[in-house]
Amino acid sequence: GAGVSQSPSNKVTEKGKDVELRCDPISGHTALYWYRQSLGQGLEFLIYFQGNSAPDKSGLPSDRFSAERTGGSVSTLTIQRTQQEDSAVYLCASSSRRGPRINQPQHFGDGTRLSIL
Amino acid sequence: AQKITQTQPGMFVQEKEAVTLDCTYDTSDQSYGLFWYKQPSSGEMIFLIYQGSYDEQNATEGRYSLNFQKARKSANLVISASQLGDSAMYFCAMREGIKDDMRFGAGTRLTVKP
Repeated sequence: GAGVSQSPSNKVTEKGKDVELRCDPISGHTALYWYRQSLGQGLEFLIYFQGNSAPDKSGLPSDRFSAERTGGSVSTLTIQRTQQEDSAVYLCASSSRRGPRINQPQHFGDGTRLSIL
Repeated sequence: AQKITQTQPGMFVQEKEAVTLDCTYDTSDQSYGLFWYKQPSSGEMIFLIYQGSYDEQNATEGRYSLNFQKARKSANLVISASQLGDSAMYFCAMREGIKDDMRFGAGTRLTVKP
């Protein structure tokens, strides 16, 4: 597909379980971002990958959250021992490095709606 | 500290009228980019318009224009001739020159009334 693909689109799980959210960026995009959006709120930055550089993890809210990006493409966001406050929409975005980075918009996936019971 | 501030949680506008959505930002970089996104109720994030810090003219894209006042560090979005389909959340975002990540404001919910 041409856009950013996220799976699953919806995930319902019990408190205490681990979840994995997947993001497949636009082909050729070297930058990949994860955000969290609680109901009616803005986007909370979680983590950012750029090429082979070490990721910027400064937004991860706790050590229960981790993310990896394999082969510079697909990324997985893992939440361990989920809590009810983890319920939110998790958005992934990618952007190109072609040309100046400063003006490259992020292209977003449709998000994963995570509900913790 | 908040990098991006959107002070209007909600705005109403009459169909066919223009509306301005406010955004102020905080950076010490000379090189930065400002972006506006639209998020309809369906949830997708749609890129609308971009303004670079060195751009001398205000950006325009169809009915969208950006009122960029660098000294005031404001980048307000102007939507002309509002349509019912413009009802959505609107987010202002900034990318600083030395970083690749993008930080978003809290958003403004725009409702267009018929």
